[in-house]
Amino acid sequence: AQSVTQPDIHITVSEGASLELRCNYSYGATPYLFWYVQSPGQGLQLLLKYFSGDTLVQGIKGFEAEFKRSQSSFNLRKPSVHWSDAAEYFCAVGGLLSGGYNKLIFGAGTRLAVHP
Amino acid sequence: SQTIHQWPATLVQPVGSPLSLECTVEGTSNPNLYWYRQAAGRGLQLLFYSVGIGQISSEVPQNLSASRPQDRQFILSSKKLLLSDSGFYLCAWRNTVNSPLHFGNGTRLTVT
Repeated sequence: AQSVTQPDIHITVSEGASLELRCNYSYGATPYLFWYVQSPGQGLQLLLKYFSGDTLVQGIKGFEAEFKRSQSSFNLRKPSVHWSDAAEYFCAVGGLLSGGYNKLIFGAGTRLAVHP
Repeated sequence: SQTIHQWPATLVQPVGSPLSLECTVEGTSNPNLYWYRQAAGRGLQLLFYSVGIGQISSEVPQNLSASRPQDRQFILSSKKLLLSDSGFYLCAWRNTVNSPLHFGNGTRLTVT
């Protein structure tokens, strides 16, 4: 079955430090991968997506993610975190599934806290 | 440009009362529509999705139902709310099979 694992429930970093949020997936075909960010009480905003091609994808707000097929991972990175990056981050995997319908499967999320 | 509207933003309802949450999408046609629920401290659970008017797929058996009376309108309902229905409900849409989901701002439902 398809699944997404975000091993870290909470992460705390200092402002200006680098960040890496982990995401591992299980999918029976070539996955389509996404990272979303959610501020408290808000909907989810797309940060970046991977469909094919270059395995290092750039997103908004200075984020990037790297697709590693051999490790079934799609980790999110940012070289220097800003206080405004404090939020919850969700990794998601999707693709054409049986029956012609499709859905995104989300990880449980990683809550990021940023210390000044 | 496309926009998604979801209302109300917050709702407090007593146990046993009915529920109706509405979601509309503008600026696109024949979108795929989704209802997700996010319980406190947990990820997103897909509740329903729809690929067209009157076509609803349910992901998990529960106390809720969904309807799509118009192309860009998606409604989440319940006849009698349970305490366990409390949560944050998110509507989302997308056009093509593997395009990203676009989310509304959510409805915070508290059942008392």
